[in-house]
Amino acid sequence: AQSVSQHNHHVILSEAASLELGCNYSYGGTVNLFWYVQYPGQHLQLLLKYFSGDPLVKGIKGFEAEFIKSKFSFNLRKPSVQWSDTAEYFCAVNEKDDSWGKLQFGAGTQVVVTP
Amino acid sequence: DAMVIQNPRYQVTQFGKPVTLSCSQTLNHNVMYWYQQKSSQAPKLLFHYYDKDFNNEADTPDNFQSRRPNTSFCFLDIRSPGLGDAAMYLCATSADRVPNTEAFFGQGTRLTVV
Repeated sequence: AQSVSQHNHHVILSEAASLELGCNYSYGGTVNLFWYVQYPGQHLQLLLKYFSGDPLVKGIKGFEAEFIKSKFSFNLRKPSVQWSDTAEYFCAVNEKDDSWGKLQFGAGTQVVVTP
Repeated sequence: DAMVIQNPRYQVTQFGKPVTLSCSQTLNHNVMYWYQQKSSQAPKLLFHYYDKDFNNEADTPDNFQSRRPNTSFCFLDIRSPGLGDAAMYLCATSADRVPNTEAFFGQGTRLTVV
């Protein structure tokens, strides 16, 4: 069955610490990969995406993610977090062959950055 | 400016009493989606529209229905809410139905069933 797994449900870290959130997927075909972020009280918004090409993609606010096909992973990273990065982060996947482009989400990781 | 607007933000309904959640968009997107997100779980797609074409997910209960009277509006109707239907309901849109199209989300409606 198709699935998206996020390894950590909650992460607490201090400002200036480095962040890495794990995401693994289980899909038979070729995929597109996304990270969405939801700041407190706000809507889900796209952080970055990978469709093809360079497996290291850069998104907004200093985030980046690396697609490792052999590991079915798309981990999110930020070298130095800020208090404003406190949010919930969702990994999502869809299949390139799916004409509807339906997204399947992971359960999310709640990140709290302390001053 | 909000582009996908969901009303209300919070909805309390009685067990078994029909309830309607609404979503509107200013993006003129062809595709609209409804997701259900229970606590600490992934958002789960319930159904989606491409224009007026409705597509139900196979495991979406019959208790959930949807209407899209025009491009801008989409409604989620829960005919007889049960306690297990308490969740955050997310509306999303995308310009087209191809896989590499960004989805835009509303802020969600948190439904409580009492």
